[in-house]
Amino acid sequence: QQQVKQSPQSLIVQKGGISIINCAYENTAFDYFPWYQQFPGKGPALLIAIRPDVSEKKEGRFTISFNKSAKQFSLHIMDSQPGDSATYFCAARSSGSARQLTFGSGTQLTVLP
Amino acid sequence: DTEVTQTPKHLVMGMTNKKSLKCEQHMGHRAMYWYKQKAKKPPELMFVYSYEKLSINESVPSRFSPECPNSSLLNLHLHALQPEDSALYLCASSRSSGGWQETQYFGPGTRLLVL
Repeated sequence: QQQVKQSPQSLIVQKGGISIINCAYENTAFDYFPWYQQFPGKGPALLIAIRPDVSEKKEGRFTISFNKSAKQFSLHIMDSQPGDSATYFCAARSSGSARQLTFGSGTQLTVLP
Repeated sequence: DTEVTQTPKHLVMGMTNKKSLKCEQHMGHRAMYWYKQKAKKPPELMFVYSYEKLSINESVPSRFSPECPNSSLLNLHLHALQPEDSALYLCASSRSSGGWQETQYFGPGTRLLVL
């Protein structure tokens, strides 16, 4: 079964700190790894995404690190702000014709002021 | 513009009612999706439309009936729902169901409560 395992389930960080969320997968047919940010009562919004032939991608304060051999990828939020408090989902997309997203279980991030 | 709109924002319905959820996008995307999301859980895929044809039905009960009238619109018709169907229903769209760079863009969702 296609699965993406995400940890931790919840994370509390002080303002200005670094938030790190980890994901691991088994299916080598995944070819695209997006991260979504979701605020309460809202739909998930694409935050940043990476392809498996790239080891790192940075956009502003958000960085994805990707380790293809370990089948792991992580989201780093630098200088975390209270406005970053949200639920973060990693996801992986299969390379087959269906192109479905498989989501991780989510991480609830709280950034304390 | 990467906007997917959904109406209504909130919906309360009885188990005998018939209602519809609507989703619209004007990004020229040819793949559209319905997801169901329970509190503190990730979205669960329900249906995928590709070029206005239903390509994936994730064993969803027949009380949920999707419809794609054209490439910009996606409906979800609801009938005889159960209280456990209460959830946030999300619509998403992407350029097509092929190509590695495509991204799924989500709408804000419809919060459904079944009494």
